[in-house]
Amino acid sequence: ETGVTQSPTHLIKTRGQQVTLRCSSQSGHNTVSWYQQALGQGPQFIFQYYREEENGRGNFPPRFSGLQFPNYSSELNVNALELDDSALYLCASSPRGGRAGSGELFFGEGSRLTVL
Amino acid sequence: DQQVKQNSPSLSVQEGRISILNCDYTNSMFDYFLWYKKYPAEGPTFLISISSIKDKNEDGRFTVFLNKSAKHLSLHIVPSQPGDSAVYFCAAHPNTGNQFYFGTGTSLTVIP
Repeated sequence: ETGVTQSPTHLIKTRGQQVTLRCSSQSGHNTVSWYQQALGQGPQFIFQYYREEENGRGNFPPRFSGLQFPNYSSELNVNALELDDSALYLCASSPRGGRAGSGELFFGEGSRLTVL
Repeated sequence: DQQVKQNSPSLSVQEGRISILNCDYTNSMFDYFLWYKKYPAEGPTFLISISSIKDKNEDGRFTVFLNKSAKHLSLHIVPSQPGDSAVYFCAAHPNTGNQFYFGTGTSLTVIP
């Protein structure tokens, strides 16, 4: 069973640039959630995708957008990067959308973004 | 607005003793609670959960207690082992929506 994989693991961007982060969900999981973890903070919910549709969104501006593909992999895109976007971006998959099943999330290692 | 709070950023415990990690929440709509463990350079991994219809759930050395009236939950690890040294996140889920709310984490160090 393949776990959640994310790429790239580290990247550095400058303010105003755009970034795309990628996530492959765990085998058998059709739901992907993205979380932002700033230094010293807990993960903050960005959004969730289920069957290629956005299925819930946290308190993040529209310049944070995403996609889910037919194979359930996902992308997180951030436009017009700001210094405060520097964080660890975590992708998590789960077997079904929302609270089905055990409700637990299976996380990848994360992509650490530094904005200069 | 931090709806899930872990007020102890760090905790040190001797090997073999009990570790108690605490978590408080403010939202009465939360009805499902989880603990995640995170090692450096790894993503969080699920440890144990509890539904609001229970007040205790046990899995081996790990027990989670839920006090709904106090909006408080705790994770007990007994006996603590050096491999338990990690950051522990408390998370909560409301009865609607798809968002988990996480605390800021408690860094546990188990001293051999």
